[in-house]
Amino acid sequence: GEDVEQSLFLSVREGDSSVINCTYTDSSSTYLYWYKQEPGAGLQLLTYIFSNMDMKQDQRLTVLLNKKDKHLSLRIADTQTGDSAIYFCADPPDGYNAGNMLTFGGGTRLMVKP
Amino acid sequence: EPEVTQTPSHQVTQMGQEVILRCVPISNHLYFYWYRQILGQKVEFLVSFYNNEISEKSEIFDDQFSVERPDGSNFTLKIRSTKLEDSAMYFCASSTRPPTSYEQYFGPGTRLTVT
Repeated sequence: GEDVEQSLFLSVREGDSSVINCTYTDSSSTYLYWYKQEPGAGLQLLTYIFSNMDMKQDQRLTVLLNKKDKHLSLRIADTQTGDSAIYFCADPPDGYNAGNMLTFGGGTRLMVKP
Repeated sequence: EPEVTQTPSHQVTQMGQEVILRCVPISNHLYFYWYRQILGQKVEFLVSFYNNEISEKSEIFDDQFSVERPDGSNFTLKIRSTKLEDSAMYFCASSTRPPTSYEQYFGPGTRLTVT
């Protein structure tokens, strides 16, 4: 089945850029998503990218997609302490059917040091 | 901004008891989902629901689990006889019918503790 992998942990200093990486196995993905989970809270949809795009920018967030390598990244510019959270990439396998499940990576815990 | 809500935020139950977790999806959404996250593990899909029936379910969603949309607003997950390993955070999500939107919006979760 589909597998989505992320590194476990990333530590950056406030003001630096953060880059969170994700690899996936399903080649027919239509959309790929980034979710944020703050301590004790639910999953907040941050951004997504359509599979025919290489890059999407949304304020401080930049998503890069390399379909050939099945690699997705999330760059956060000017990282703030409020960005400290767990970041999940998610992929609906076998293309997107609204009834389809999302397969989540294990999450990357981002720690921002002042 | 509309949001998915879930109640209760935390439920403690004894092994073998039945629990019902409740969700109110976003009002114009038509697809509903349950996911769970065991502490320290990945978020796992349980079931999706559309047009009053299950669209898809994972191997986790066995006969102990059931879902229902009892009225126009609530979406429930029932666990018939809870086991210790059911302890997890349970997330409800909803989405509109594509192609309008492909986004799944998640609720804050219900933490289920089975003792």
